[in-house]
Amino acid sequence: GQQVMQIPQYQHVQEGEDFTTYCNSSTTLSNIQWYKQRPGGHPVFLIQLVKSGEVKKQKRLTFQFGEAKKNSSLHITATQTTDVGTYFCAGGTGNQFYFGTGTSLTVIP
Amino acid sequence: DTGVSQNPRHKITKRGQNVTFRCDPISEHNRLYWYRQTLGQGPEFLTYFQNEAQLEKSRLLSDRFSAERPKGSFSTLEIQRTEQGDSAMYLCASSLGFNRDEKLFFGSGTQLSVL
Repeated sequence: GQQVMQIPQYQHVQEGEDFTTYCNSSTTLSNIQWYKQRPGGHPVFLIQLVKSGEVKKQKRLTFQFGEAKKNSSLHITATQTTDVGTYFCAGGTGNQFYFGTGTSLTVIP
Repeated sequence: DTGVSQNPRHKITKRGQNVTFRCDPISEHNRLYWYRQTLGQGPEFLTYFQNEAQLEKSRLLSDRFSAERPKGSFSTLEIQRTEQGDSAMYLCASSLGFNRDEKLFFGSGTQLSVL
């Protein structure tokens, strides 16, 4: 069945350092979305990527969708304490979204 | 836009009891999803509706779980004969639907504890 894996599971960084999380799907995706979930909160939509090789930026966040549409990454430049939370990718199959296992980011001031 | 609303926020029940959760999606959204999330894991897909039609149900979902979306508005998720393994956060999400806006808007969830 459909599986979406993310690495690393946890990441601790000093404030100001960069952070990257990687997402891999067992099958080719129609699109991929990224969500952020703060502790005690619910997932909040960040972005959607649709095209093979697509790159999108949101301020300090850079999102990439692989050429084969099976992997994706989220890179945060110069992390801030407000970046704390768990980042999930969600692979779209045309009917629904399968969420990855998530990467929990801790930013040390 | 009042967002996705879920009730109750918390539910504590004894093993073997039935429970029902409600989700009110954003009013113009056609698609409604149910997910389950346990601590340290990503949301696990349970089922989704396009308007009132239930289009897909996870194979992992036992027949103790049933969901409805009468009239294509609010949805209910019922769990019969609850087990301790059902303890989780049950999340509802809605969207305008594919080929329109696929962004999922999540509710705050219902935290189920089965004793």
